[in-house]
Amino acid sequence: GDSVTQMEGPVTLSEEAFLTINCTYTATGYPSLFWYVQYPGEGLQLLLKATKADDKGSNKGFEATYRKETTSFHLEKGSVQVSDSAVYFCALNHMDTGRRALTFGSGTRLQVQP
Amino acid sequence: GAVVSQHPSRVICKSGTSVKIECRSLDFQATTMFWYRQFPKQSLMLMATSNEGSKATYEQGVEKDKFLINHASLTLSTLTVTSAHPEDSSFYICSARGTGAGETQYFGPGTRLLVL
Repeated sequence: GDSVTQMEGPVTLSEEAFLTINCTYTATGYPSLFWYVQYPGEGLQLLLKATKADDKGSNKGFEATYRKETTSFHLEKGSVQVSDSAVYFCALNHMDTGRRALTFGSGTRLQVQP
Repeated sequence: GAVVSQHPSRVICKSGTSVKIECRSLDFQATTMFWYRQFPKQSLMLMATSNEGSKATYEQGVEKDKFLINHASLTLSTLTVTSAHPEDSSFYICSARGTGAGETQYFGPGTRLLVL
């Protein structure tokens, strides 16, 4: 079955540092890939997505590129802010086969210190 | 973007009682809604998928008779935890997708259930 593996957290960075959160996946076919963010006390929000190989999703300074050859979708941001502190979830689904339910990674907690 | 609401946001109940959680899509018609469960500091686990007007499809290991799902309209799905026990205490999250919102799933803010 499908699975998503994320680096374990927490990841602690100073403000303006470079961020990378690794995500790799195992899936058949051509899944769509997502990053969701969960701020403290809130529900998940879609951060960015990519639906086919080599697509780059971007939003709010975050980027991730769909790498089919390495089955990866690493999240990056050039300069993090304290307000980026949250839990980040990598996820996939199969729009190609009609299975829309998301398979999530375990989440990575990011703590940005001033 | 599309908005999904959940009600209540928090609920405390006694063991043995039933609790109903509502999930509403506010500005789009949700042909499909998903119910997830999230344990503290863990990821979301899919419980069931519901399509408007049909029976929900439950994931393996999820008890259909315990977690009743109704998706009676294109904007409302409900999850009823029947005969709740302390081990049912968790964070329940719904998401919705529909033609009006494209292929993206939009998540509700979640409902925290505590069973005493």
